[in-house]
Amino acid sequence: DAGVTQSPTHLIKTRGQQVTLRCSPKSGHDTVSWYQQALGQGPQFIFQYYEEEERQRGNFPDRFSGHQFPNYSSELNVNALLLGDSALYLCASSFAEGHFSGPDNEQFFGPGTRLTVL
Amino acid sequence: AQSVSQHNHHVILSEAASLELGCNYSYGGTVNLFWYVQYPGQHLQLLLKYFSGDPLVKGIKGFEAEFIKSKFSFNLRKPSVQWSDTAEYFCAVNLNYGGSQGNLIFGKGTKLSVKP
Repeated sequence: DAGVTQSPTHLIKTRGQQVTLRCSPKSGHDTVSWYQQALGQGPQFIFQYYEEEERQRGNFPDRFSGHQFPNYSSELNVNALLLGDSALYLCASSFAEGHFSGPDNEQFFGPGTRLTVL
Repeated sequence: AQSVSQHNHHVILSEAASLELGCNYSYGGTVNLFWYVQYPGQHLQLLLKYFSGDPLVKGIKGFEAEFIKSKFSFNLRKPSVQWSDTAEYFCAVNLNYGGSQGNLIFGKGTKLSVKP
């Protein structure tokens, strides 16, 4: 049973460029959440997707956008990259509460994509 | 805004020492509480979680945590650490909207180094 997978593993971009990161959820999961983990910090919630729609959003600018596909995989797009966007981007998958609510609705994390902006 | 505080940035222990990592959160409502661990080069893994019931929660690898509602705390403990426990530990909270889950709010993490 494959866990959460993310691609690419590492990415180097320059300021002003755009980047797309990809995530495939754990088998059977239908909800994908994205987090940003800056060096020395805990992960910060960016947004969550369910049924191909953004369901919740954290305190991130509109430069951060996402998409979820019918097969539940997801993309995170960041436009007009800034130096401060350099971080590890984590994807987490889970069951939507409507399908499997309660204490077992655990988020499983992928290995992350390390983005460096020069 | 809700927040999670982890008191120790870096803890260094010898093998067999006891461990306690502090975690406090700021939110007056019902919360779900988690401890995640990130071993070097690996992804975040769930150690244990608290949703309701017995405030003393047992997790994997001999870890446990105690939820003290009056102190808004969820401290992680292990009676005897091993070298393999060297990792970064994150406390996290999400708001319990009557059973459904909001996003996870993480603390800044505590790096644990265990000397053999």
